[in-house]
Amino acid sequence: AQTVTQSQPEMSVQEAETVTLSCTYDTSESDYYLFWYKQPPSRQMILVIRQEAYKQQNATENRFSVNFQKAAKSFSLKISDSQLGDAAMYFCAYRSAFSGGGADGLTFGKGTHLIIQP
Amino acid sequence: ETGVTQTPRHLVMGMTNKKSLKCEQHLGHNAMYWYKQSAKKPLELMFVYSLEERVENNSVPSRFSPECPNSSHLFLHLHTLQPEDSALYLCASSQDRFQANEQFFGPGTRLTVL
Repeated sequence: AQTVTQSQPEMSVQEAETVTLSCTYDTSESDYYLFWYKQPPSRQMILVIRQEAYKQQNATENRFSVNFQKAAKSFSLKISDSQLGDAAMYFCAYRSAFSGGGADGLTFGKGTHLIIQP
Repeated sequence: ETGVTQTPRHLVMGMTNKKSLKCEQHLGHNAMYWYKQSAKKPLELMFVYSLEERVENNSVPSRFSPECPNSSHLFLHLHTLQPEDSALYLCASSQDRFQANEQFFGPGTRLTVL
């Protein structure tokens, strides 16, 4: 079974600064997908960024980028120019590239609470 | 209504009650999911439905009973729950279950079992 570990329960960053959230995972599969989801205080979870394991290029979405290290099984999220609206719980998630047998859902980490200081 | 909606948003029930959670998606998706979010624990996948057929049950106790009457609606029927079942229950949908497409989440139902 796959596991996802987020070792930082809480992170704090000054507005306009850069912060990196860490995520490691354990899997024996070679093909999979990784996600970062954001859950603001209103609780509706939204996708921030997605990475396909077979792609070596790190995914970017505006101010959000990842550092994907497949050999190290590491998938960190970098938020540049932090804004007050970035304050939320951030979840790292894993999804097998295969279907069925327990693979269809997402496996989540425990989350990192990101605080933005004005 | 757009996206994924869930009702009720908050629910308090006794251990002998029977209640149901409702989820509706307005995205034309074919797969729907129930997740449980407990404090200080990762989200746990409970059930997966694809085209109204249950395809996965992650060893969830029988006091949780899902129902998917059509591809837009998903229910979670609750009966004789325990206090440890108190949690945020999230519904999600995706285009289908075969591709790792984005899962769209609802706002959740905050359940308290007394």
